[in-house]
Amino acid sequence: GAVVSQHPSRVICKSGTSVKIECRSLDFQATTMFWYRQFPKQSLMLMATSNEGSKATYEQGVEKDKFLINHASLTLSTLTVTSAHPEDSSFYICSARIAGQFTYEQYFGPGTRLTVT
Amino acid sequence: AQSVTQPDIHITVSEGASLELRCNYSYGATPYLFWYVQSPGQGLQLLLKYFSGDTLVQGIKGFEAEFKRSQSSFNLRKPSVHWSDAAEYFCAVGARGSNYKLTFGKGTLLTVNP
Repeated sequence: GAVVSQHPSRVICKSGTSVKIECRSLDFQATTMFWYRQFPKQSLMLMATSNEGSKATYEQGVEKDKFLINHASLTLSTLTVTSAHPEDSSFYICSARIAGQFTYEQYFGPGTRLTVT
Repeated sequence: AQSVTQPDIHITVSEGASLELRCNYSYGATPYLFWYVQSPGQGLQLLLKYFSGDTLVQGIKGFEAEFKRSQSSFNLRKPSVHWSDAAEYFCAVGARGSNYKLTFGKGTLLTVNP
């Protein structure tokens, strides 16, 4: 149980275009989802916290106009990288908390590798 | 603010040998503690967690970890490593009142020699 999927797993886009990444909780409802960014051989950097039905909370230094997050349902959150540039190339990982559980346990998706050319 | 330190960037062990990965945290109260494992190009899988109670916790794949409040540590152990354990290991801490956010250590890469 507690499976999280991400789509696509890999995406290559041209500089200046936008790309959308989906994060779905497959067998549970998630009131809170998190978006992370991971650079090669480095740890996870939290970008934003996404709560269903409300605006996302971004971490300091993350451009909210560049990384648009929508959490329209209890099983789906999306991250849109707008006007992508090569420096946005990275591994993006989402995670989700089970709705109604007051624990810190997060279930992670498999990640999306974004390459901007 | 809480922080997590994993002192070892890279550890190499022989298959069948025992393993201990270190994790130290900084937080004023008892935190929520986690160990996750990440295989190359993959997401993170939860190995084990500590919230309260017994300070020795058992996880999946034969891993265990011990919470030591006096040392602010939560070290991960396995008595006999398998080649399939080669991966990146992350320790994470959740602080009460942080809106359920986790803070991750920088990770320890485990290499297993045959």
